[in-house]
Order: sequence, then structure tokens, then C-alpha cells
Amino acid sequence: AAGVIQSPRHLIKEKRETATLKCYPIPRHDTVYWYQQGPGQDPQFLISFYEKMQSDKGSIPDRFSAQQFSDYHSELNMSSLELGDSALYFCASSLRLAAKDNEQFFGPGTRLTVL
Amino acid sequence: SQELEQSPQSLIVQEGKNLTINCTSSKTLYGLYWYKQKYGEGLIFLMMLQKGGEEKSHEKITAKLDEKKQQSSLHITASQPSHAGIYLCGADKIGGGSNYKLTFGKGTLLTVNP
Repeated sequence: AAGVIQSPRHLIKEKRETATLKCYPIPRHDTVYWYQQGPGQDPQFLISFYEKMQSDKGSIPDRFSAQQFSDYHSELNMSSLELGDSALYFCASSLRLAAKDNEQFFGPGTRLTVL
Repeated sequence: SQELEQSPQSLIVQEGKNLTINCTSSKTLYGLYWYKQKYGEGLIFLMMLQKGGEEKSHEKITAKLDEKKQQSSLHITASQPSHAGIYLCGADKIGGGSNYKLTFGKGTLLTVNP
């Protein structure tokens, strides 16, 4: 079965650079979530999109922005990168409308290292 | 403060032993999810509980949500090295509301010695 695809899997950037992370949800899923997991930390919710509209917003810095496109893939854009942005970034998708529950399927993550 | 408290933080067991991981909230949990994560990898969905008193099992793993819907436990019977990893509980709509985002506990690192 198709899973959530994230690219790239690994990314190394310098401070103050920009980065773009991509997420391709499971086909027909209508909701995408972004989470950030720092070393030894639990995943922290950043932002979500439902039917291409921003749905919830969490602890996402102003330097970050995200959007969901017409084909439902999503991109997380990160500017003026800081050392503290080094983390594992997860994308998850779910089918909100039809489902009785909120089972979120997670991608393998993008490991971002800021030097 | 952490909305979901997991205990223990880490656990080392001998293969074949049973173990329990707990996840507690001070607020009502409307959707409680258990995930497993291998270090540095994605989260694998295990089980989801919604109703007070609900219990679900898959292979050797059983998850329960108490009647008050504020505590969940994950029990592994006859543990195997393949059970090793980080177990995370997550919840949405904590205390009510319409949030679909998941809030996670800090995780429990399980090591199973052969």
C-alpha cells in the first residue's frame, strides 16, 4: 500500500540558508500535518492543512511557512535557518472527512542538519 | 507542562518478559494513539482508543483506555527483540475541542535483551 512520501530524506544546510521539505500524502487523504522532532524529544505539531486550507497552527516559527497544493502535496519552507532547527521533520496524512477517528499515517521523516 | 505523561521513560527487559507502559493525562482524552518509533525513523501506528474502558489487541500488544479516559496502558506479552524501540502515546482533542493535531508524550525507550 502507498505510504506517505517525504523528500529529501536528509538535508544539510548552513546557518541563514533556506530549505524546502516536501510531503506527498497517501492518495485520497485530505489532511496533511507537519511535526518537528528535536533530538531526544517528542514530535511537536507545527501546522496542518485540510483540503488545501490551513487547518491548525502550532509552534511554527515565523521563519517557516507551508502550503498544500492542488495535488495535495505539501511543502514546508524554512528560511534564515538556525542551529536549533536541526531536527527530524515528519509529515503525516489522514482522511478526516470520512473517518470516525483521526488515524495519522506518518512519513519516514526528513532529517535536517544545520551547520 | 506536559499534557501527556509517559512512564517509565526507559525500560530494559529480558526477552520473554511482560511489560507495561503508561500514558496519563489530567484532562479527558477523546482519541488516544499509540505509535512505535525506531531511532531516527518514522512513527508506526499501533492502535487507537476512543471509548472509556476500551481494549484492543494486536499480536502480543494490548492497549487499554481507562473508564475515565485519562489513562492508557500498553502491555506487551512475552517480549521479543523486535519489540525494541520508542513507544509514543499521542492524543488529539485533549480536554475536548476540535483540534486534530496530535500531542505526544515524551516516549518510552524499550530495550529487550535476548
